[in-house]
Amino acid sequence: DIQMTQSPSSLSASIGDRVTITCQASRDITNYLNWYQHKPGKAPKLLIYDASNLKTGVPSRFSGSGSGTDFTFTISSLQPEDIATYYCQQSDNVPFTFGQGTKLEIK
Amino acid sequence: QVHLQESGPGLVKPSETLSLTCTVSGASISPYYWSWFRQPPGKGLEWIGFVYYGGSTTYNPSLKSRVTISVDMSKNQFSLKLSSVTAADTAVYYCARAVGTVAGQFDSWGQGTLVTVSS
Repeated sequence: DIQMTQSPSSLSASIGDRVTITCQASRDITNYLNWYQHKPGKAPKLLIYDASNLKTGVPSRFSGSGSGTDFTFTISSLQPEDIATYYCQQSDNVPFTFGQGTKLEIK
Repeated sequence: QVHLQESGPGLVKPSETLSLTCTVSGASISPYYWSWFRQPPGKGLEWIGFVYYGGSTTYNPSLKSRVTISVDMSKNQFSLKLSSVTAADTAVYYCARAVGTVAGQFDSWGQGTLVTVSS
């Protein structure tokens, strides 16, 4: 299985801050990397697919980059509604696997 | 807008079979792949497997011996069965639609249902 290492596991930031989360794959997954937002009791939401493509309807303050084994997810200006846990997920090979998540909190 | 809703017993006894159904509205079961996930308390997300609308399946090898995922196009539903459950199978179970070139992007999810394995 491809192991996904996500960091940090938790993050405290202020409204308006730039927030960055990283995800590292245990082997080359080209650009088969997706990012999800998950709020408690809600359905997870796909934000970014294939490393850098913004899903239709997702605010442009969210972005993703990277290829191979190293990927980055960025919120350019943190908003109150962005408080959630964020997960990376590789779609290069089954079984599809996730990072352990980054819990984002307001400072 | 696609809506998915999980349903099934919230409590299952050890050694029995966990059975869940996902009802899809706002979209047809065809021509997509449909997937199940779970998240044990305090742990990360685990992909269980998926079913194509035509019935073919792919499972996580870690669960393959105990999992069956099936689809019912007439009801616009798909289902999960997990046999011989133990306390380690206690988790929130999610269903989702798979899209993308390798059906590995999950663009619509249910809210999840907690299943507890206990006697």
